Amino acid sequence: AQKVTQTQTSISVVEKTTVTMDCVYETRDSSYFLFWYKQTASGEIVFLIRQDSYKKENATVGHYSLNFQKPKSSIGLIITATQIEDSAVYFCAMRNTNAYKVIFGKGTHLHVLP
Amino acid sequence: EAAVTQSPRSKVAVTGGKVTLSCHQTNNHDYMYWYRQDTGHGLRLIHYSYVADSTEKGDIPDGYKASRPSQENFSLILELASLSQTAVYFCASSEGGGLEQNTLYFGAGTRLSVL
Repeated sequence: AQKVTQTQTSISVVEKTTVTMDCVYETRDSSYFLFWYKQTASGEIVFLIRQDSYKKENATVGHYSLNFQKPKSSIGLIITATQIEDSAVYFCAMRNTNAYKVIFGKGTHLHVLP
Repeated sequence: EAAVTQSPRSKVAVTGGKVTLSCHQTNNHDYMYWYRQDTGHGLRLIHYSYVADSTEKGDIPDGYKASRPSQENFSLILELASLSQTAVYFCASSEGGGLEQNTLYFGAGTRLSVL
């Protein structure tokens, strides 16, 4: 069975610093996709970044990057040079390659302080 | 840019009544999903569909039905609404299938209050 776990309920950081949000996952499949999504205060949910399980290189998009540790079933989201507008809820998600279900974690609320 | 439209944006329903939440996407996506968001639970999958006229149960399907009459439309139906179904509901779509086409595009959400 699939499962995605985010243990950090809330994180507070000072702007312009770097933050890492943790996510561990469970799957029996050898091929899968891992995602991070952001939910803003308005409720809008948008896709941020994706890691394919067969790729060894960590994905990077803008000031978002991933720390993919396959042996630990871990996919951390790193945000560098945080900005006030990065304050949001961040969801980790996964999908097995041969399945249609996309499963989410409970989310981590990031507060970026001035 | 993918466009997923949910209606209504908010609704107040009475216990035992029937509620239908609608979702429409204009991007020719094959996959559509209904999620429920509650504080402390994140996003939980209710039903999903990968082709018209077919739906699949997600992780929390009890008390919900789904309908996919066309590729563009996906509805979530609460036949007998209950207090515990008060939540925010999100619809999402995805191309699915190939390696690059599985980003979810979300609607704005429907806030449902059952009284």
